[in-house]
Amino acid sequence: TQLLEQSPQFLSIQEGENLTVYCNSSSVFSSLQWYRQEPGEGPVLLVTVVTGGEVKKLKRLTFQFGDARKDSSLHITAAQPGDTGLYLCAGDDNAGNMLTFGGGTRLMVKP
Amino acid sequence: EPEVTQTPSHQVTQMGQEVILRCVPISNHLYFYWYRQILGQKVEFLVSFYNNEISEKSEIFDDQFSVERPDGSNFTLKIRSTKLEDSAMYFCASRGQAYNSPLHFGNGTRLTVT
Repeated sequence: TQLLEQSPQFLSIQEGENLTVYCNSSSVFSSLQWYRQEPGEGPVLLVTVVTGGEVKKLKRLTFQFGDARKDSSLHITAAQPGDTGLYLCAGDDNAGNMLTFGGGTRLMVKP
Repeated sequence: EPEVTQTPSHQVTQMGQEVILRCVPISNHLYFYWYRQILGQKVEFLVSFYNNEISEKSEIFDDQFSVERPDGSNFTLKIRSTKLEDSAMYFCASRGQAYNSPLHFGNGTRLTVT
């Protein structure tokens, strides 16, 4: 069974601060996806990283896939209250049959 | 933009009753999934479905669960005899055929077993 550990579980910061969320595993994934989930809704894809060492940017969000494709990080610069939500990482098994989710990081950005 | 739709949004049922959760995946997608999320816990994989058969299932997906694609558009999850611990949000997802294509999730069905 592939496991993904996310840290921290909870993060409360002030508007304008930077933060990093980590997603770690002992397993290798063919790709890793980051989702954001709002209350009462399903996860919505933010980004997919595929290549070891890959870095992708989405406005103030920077995603990195580890060289060994076992871990990933999400860095948010100058966080805003609109960034508040649950951030989930999910690893794709090599057959594409199953996406394994991490436990999530609940972010609150206070104005 | 096409989306995955799920019905009902909320289902309340008594313990021991059968429930069917319905999903309409994105029309040109070929892979279909059910996940569940117990309140405050992580999103858990239940089952994946491709080419009219189950391709992977988790330990959670025991004999009381079944999936079906009865026609060209619907994808259903049946729970035969619900238990209190089945109370959760159930999410349907679909993906296209391209390698590493992302999952598109519906907004879920909240199942409450009393």
